Amino acid sequence: KAGVTQTPRYLIKTRGQQVTLSCSPISGHRSVSWYQQTPGQGLQFLFEYFSETQRNKGNFPGRFSGRQFSNSRSEMNVSTLELGDSALYLCASSLAGEHGYTFGSGTRLTVV
Amino acid sequence: QKEVEQDPGPLSVPEGAIVSLNCTYSNSAFQYFMWYRQYSRKGPELLMYTYSSGNKEDGRFTAQVDKSSKYISLFIRDSQPSDSATYLCASIDVTGGGNKLTFGTGTQLKVEL
Repeated sequence: KAGVTQTPRYLIKTRGQQVTLSCSPISGHRSVSWYQQTPGQGLQFLFEYFSETQRNKGNFPGRFSGRQFSNSRSEMNVSTLELGDSALYLCASSLAGEHGYTFGSGTRLTVV
Repeated sequence: QKEVEQDPGPLSVPEGAIVSLNCTYSNSAFQYFMWYRQYSRKGPELLMYTYSSGNKEDGRFTAQVDKSSKYISLFIRDSQPSDSATYLCASIDVTGGGNKLTFGTGTQLKVEL
């Protein structure tokens, strides 16, 4: 059974640019969440989608956005990149959130 | 104050030792609790999830929840060098109509030969 797939694995962008990250959840999982992980702040919740609807949003600026498609695949977009956006971005999917989320290996974004 | 507090370590133990990892939380709305293990340059891997107060065992791992004191623990028996990783506790508040995982900062564990 395929796990959560995130692409690309690594990305280097310049300040001011925008970036789109992709996540394919485990087949049958309709809940997809995104997290940002940094050494200083740890894992922080960005947003959660279920059946193409955003159900929850974390405390991040509007530059961070996401969407989910009808096949449950999800994308997140960060516009006007800042140096502080450098982080590991993790996607997680779940059949029922209270039973835990399965994480992908993440996309490591470096903003220079 | 963070909603989930976790000692960052590092924690170093000899092979075969019993490891105790602990978290406290402040949000009474947290209903579900999980432990994740994260190896360097990998995503977190779900080890255990639990809802009720009490113990839940899975192989060498035991998760313990005490909702009255808002305390969650993970015990690892017969620890192995392959257990060396960062361990993250997480809680879910489902009252808002969605699922949002709130993580502790993680405890770095090293099991030495």
